[in-house]
Amino acid sequence: GAVVSQHPSRVICKSGTSVKIECRSLDFQATTMFWYRQFPKQSLMLMATSNEGSKATYEQGVEKDKFLINHASLTLSTLTVTSAHPEDSSFYICSASPLAGGPKETQYFGPGTRLLVL
Amino acid sequence: AQSVTQLGSHVSVSEGALVLLRCNYSSSVPPYLFWYVQYPNQGLQLLLKYTTGATLVKGINGFEAEFKKSETSFHLTKPSAHMSDAAEYFCAVSEALTGGGNKLTFGTGTQLKVEL
Repeated sequence: GAVVSQHPSRVICKSGTSVKIECRSLDFQATTMFWYRQFPKQSLMLMATSNEGSKATYEQGVEKDKFLINHASLTLSTLTVTSAHPEDSSFYICSASPLAGGPKETQYFGPGTRLLVL
Repeated sequence: AQSVTQLGSHVSVSEGALVLLRCNYSSSVPPYLFWYVQYPNQGLQLLLKYTTGATLVKGINGFEAEFKKSETSFHLTKPSAHMSDAAEYFCAVSEALTGGGNKLTFGTGTQLKVEL
């Protein structure tokens, strides 16, 4: 149980284009989903917290107009990297907390999406 | 604000030897603590978590961790390392969000290498 999927697993795009990454909770409902970014050999940095039906909360320094987040249902959140540039190349990981989430609740992580912007 | 410190970005052990990965935390409230493992090019998998109750927590793959409030530590151990344990390990502390759910703050990670 508690499986989170991401699609695509890997994407290569040209500079200036937009890329959409999907995050789905497959066997549970998630009120809250999270988007992280991980640079090579570094830790995960939280980008934003996504709540179903409301606007995402972005961490300091993350451009909300560049990283568009939509949490349209209790099982789906999307991250769109707009006008991508080479410096946006990274490993993007989402996670989800079950509907009854609280501070004790485990976040379940997706397998990640490798983005390479040429 | 909460924070996590993982001492040792790289740890190398022999197969069959004890694994000890260190984690210290800072929290203004009773912490909820997690250990995750990450294999190359994959997401994170939960190893174990401490919320309340017994301070010695057992997880998957033979790992366990002990919450020591006096030392603000949550070190991860495994009695006997296996080659398949080679991976990146992250310690994390959780805090509640106003709108519900929790926010994880991760340590910088420890790369575990297991040698024959």
